[in-house]
Amino acid sequence: GAGVSQSPRYKVAKRGQDVALRCDPISGHVSLFWYQQALGQGPEFLTYFQNEAQLDKSGLPSDRFFAERPEGSVSTLKIQRTQQEDSAVYLCASSLYRGPYEQYFGPGTRLTVT
Amino acid sequence: SQQGEEDPQALSIQEGENATMNCSYKTSINNLQWYRQNSGRGLVHLILIRSNEREKHSGRLRVTLDTSKKSSSLLITASRAADTASYFCATDAGAGGTSYGKLTFGQGTILTVHP
Repeated sequence: GAGVSQSPRYKVAKRGQDVALRCDPISGHVSLFWYQQALGQGPEFLTYFQNEAQLDKSGLPSDRFFAERPEGSVSTLKIQRTQQEDSAVYLCASSLYRGPYEQYFGPGTRLTVT
Repeated sequence: SQQGEEDPQALSIQEGENATMNCSYKTSINNLQWYRQNSGRGLVHLILIRSNEREKHSGRLRVTLDTSKKSSSLLITASRAADTASYFCATDAGAGGTSYGKLTFGQGTILTVHP
């Protein structure tokens, strides 16, 4: 079946622009995670959704970052007034259940802020 | 912040040799997972070992977990050129039934397997 998909795959934004990154999880997956991966580093947790409820947003680096999953399927990560330090790969992952299970990752969106 | 630290940072071996990567972490965990990342397939889950398990196998992969030392190792036997990738350990520190799967990743080990 289809895996996790993300769009766009690449995004170049000028500093100060707003961007929206989309994640389509595997159908029926309850849990959805967003991670940020800087070059040469491991992914870092941003936020977690169980269905449509955002249960943990402790990893969002500032109030310029906002995520939603209104119908419990597709999720959007929005970054307002982008800064150069926001340049990274943004990964989305989904898991069938809530709990300690394997996560299925999308290919990521590489964001470059110039 | 990264919880895990992988060792070595980079490893270069010949096809057919075994590769061992180590991971240390700081807090108590519910489980530890290993992922592989390469440009072709993104991040792929390899194996999950729970805190009450000591060793787990999957094909050519063997993972050990020592919770007293807060460390884990990943052994890949009879390596192939296709195993070339970055390998990450990730810990789930959620307590018991409250865990929802939030992962904290290490910085990774870059493995290069020469044909």
